[in-house]
Amino acid sequence: GQQLNQSPQSMFIQEGEDVSMNCTSSSIFNTWLWYKQDPGEGPVLLIALYKAGELTSNGRLTAQFGITRKDSFLNISASIPSDVGIYFCGETSGSRLTFGEGTQLTVNP
Amino acid sequence: NAGVMQNPRHLVRRRGQEARLRCSPMKGHSHVYWYRQLPEEGLKFMVYLQKENIIDESGMPKERFSAEFPKEGPSILRIQQVVRGDSAAYFCASSPPLAGGYNEQFFGPGTRLTVL
Repeated sequence: GQQLNQSPQSMFIQEGEDVSMNCTSSSIFNTWLWYKQDPGEGPVLLIALYKAGELTSNGRLTAQFGITRKDSFLNISASIPSDVGIYFCGETSGSRLTFGEGTQLTVNP
Repeated sequence: NAGVMQNPRHLVRRRGQEARLRCSPMKGHSHVYWYRQLPEEGLKFMVYLQKENIIDESGMPKERFSAEFPKEGPSILRIQQVVRGDSAAYFCASSPPLAGGYNEQFFGPGTRLTVL
């Protein structure tokens, strides 16, 4: 099946800093998705990308669909404490979602 | 519009018992998906159902696990004769009828199963 390599596994940053995380795949994807999971909750979709090269923003979040269609990154600018959580990249082939292993983000006030 | 509902939120079972996890999709959603999340890992697809039909169960373990989505009532994920390795968070997601492209899956809060 599809395998997504997500990095870094964890990040510890100070409030106000920018953060970047990325995902790579050995396969070409048609859709890249970025989700956030708060402790004790289910994932929530942040950004969906549908075209190679696409750059999409959602508030302080920006994500890009790589030109090769094998990678994507997510940037968070001016981090705040509520950004804490696990961020997952994902792709969809038909109906199922395949997720990366997640990036655990900790923001120190 | 209520979100995806899952119950119970926490379930404790002893080895050999049965676990039943319930999921009520969002109103108007006819597609249900189950995912499993082991500690420190991402979510792994298990099964995709529509009303009274299993569409894709390629992620389900071959034994002890079953899922249904009856015409009336919630979707049920059933685990028979649970073992410690079944301890995980089980998430349900729902989406409206697929209409080309990606239809966003909305996730419930999950059921955390602990097997003693």
